[in-house]
Amino acid sequence: DAGITQSPRHKVTETGTPVTLRCHQTENHRYMYWYRQDPGHGLRLIHYSYGVKDTDKGEVSDGYSVSRSKTEDFLLTLESATSSQTSVYFCAIRPPSGNTIYFGEGSWLTVV
Amino acid sequence: ILNVEQSPQSLHVQEGDSTNFTCSFPSSNFYALHWYRWETAKSPEALFVMTLNGDEKKKGRISATLNTKEGYSYLYIKGSQPEDSATYLCAWNLDSNYQLIWGAGTKLIIKP
Repeated sequence: DAGITQSPRHKVTETGTPVTLRCHQTENHRYMYWYRQDPGHGLRLIHYSYGVKDTDKGEVSDGYSVSRSKTEDFLLTLESATSSQTSVYFCAIRPPSGNTIYFGEGSWLTVV
Repeated sequence: ILNVEQSPQSLHVQEGDSTNFTCSFPSSNFYALHWYRWETAKSPEALFVMTLNGDEKKKGRISATLNTKEGYSYLYIKGSQPEDSATYLCAWNLDSNYQLIWGAGTKLIIKP
C-alpha cells in the first residue's frame, strides 16, 4: 500500500462544469503527479509538483490546473469539463530515493 | 521525438502457455526502463526497474531483459495463469530528472 488516496473514484459530470479531483498521500513525498490514461495511449502526464506551491506542466496540461497548498494534497481541476476529458486519472508519488513511482487507484471521470 | 512503443497491443494466451512482449525506446540516451502491471480498477503496480544494459530481472514467473544499445526490453511470463491478465506498461526516462515516457501498454488476456 503506497499510502495514496484518490477522490472521487468515480464521477459523471456535465460538459462545461468544473471538476476537482483530489490526491492525498500519507508518505510526505515531494514529488506528486497527475496522469490520464486513455485506450491506445500510454499514461500521459498532465501536471506534476515538486513541493508545496511548486508545480509544472506536463505534456497534456491544456484545460487543467493544479494546486498544492499542503505536502499531502495535490488537487487537479478541470476548469470547464469537455467530453475529451473523459478518462481515467491517476495520481502518483515518487520517493526521494530510487526512480519508481507509486500510483493511486485511479479516478474514473465521465463528461457527458 | 521521444517515443516508447509496445507490441503487441493485445495478446490472447492459453492458460499454461508462456508468452513475451516488447518495449522499444530511444537508444540514444538512457537512464532507466520500468515495467508496470495494471489491472483495471487497481493501481498500476511496479514490476521492475532496469538501468544497465544486459540487466535481467525476475519476479516469480515474470522476468524481463534489457538491451539499451538497441533500445528494447522484453517481458516474459512463464506458464501463464488467469491472474496474469492485465495491461503491462513500460516507461523510459533519459535521466533522473526527466519525466517518464510511457508506452501504450500490452493488454494480456489469459484464456482458461
